[in-house]
Amino acid sequence: EVQLEQSGAEVKKPGESLKISCKGSGYSFTNYWIAWVRQMPGKGLEWMGIIYPGDSDTRYSPSFQGHVTISADKSISTAYLQWSSVKASDTAMYYCARRQVYSSSWHPFDYWGQGTLVTVSS
Amino acid sequence: DIQMTQSPSTLSASVGDRVTVTCRASQSISSWLAWYQQKPGKAPNLLIYKASSLESGVPSRFSGSGFGTEFTLTISSLQPDDFGTYYCQQYHSYSFTFGQGTKVEIK
Repeated sequence: EVQLEQSGAEVKKPGESLKISCKGSGYSFTNYWIAWVRQMPGKGLEWMGIIYPGDSDTRYSPSFQGHVTISADKSISTAYLQWSSVKASDTAMYYCARRQVYSSSWHPFDYWGQGTLVTVSS
Repeated sequence: DIQMTQSPSTLSASVGDRVTVTCRASQSISSWLAWYQQKPGKAPNLLIYKASSLESGVPSRFSGSGFGTEFTLTISSLQPDDFGTYYCQQYHSYSFTFGQGTKVEIK
């Protein structure tokens, strides 16, 4: 069974660093992309970036480039989303999601993690 | 950037009704369009991909159509479990944009 297991909820103060994780299981982790999606309270879905754990090829949404860092450790089938200095406006639910590699066709996000709630407050 | 616009923002319908949600892209995306359902407090769930292909395990009352810039999601006979918010997403290449969502309520 394919699963994406995300790390638990975080409460941070403005200016603190943060790293959340997404562990894949039940499939070959290095053969699929992992995307990160933000959902602010009561709002819609926003794509942040995507990484291919096989070679760490990473693409960012222009809206999030420079604000977050996406990485992966294929040895433990885990992708990460990190901030060097969080702000109150980073308060949101963050989802990871899987995307199949291109094979004569593009693919959407077929499996999602359960989400990690990040709260930033002084 | 490609913008995705959904309509309506909210709809209320009765069990058994036929429901249609529309999604418009700011430029042609061929058939690279997906639909997701999200229930409160849960992650989104993929319903439709490549504009009209039904994801495995999704009830056949859900269907999608369209090409280029105009797309629709149809629920042929609304069921109580179909409440939630529906999002379209374009996914061409390494660009992904979601529509703003359509909240479906059961009367």
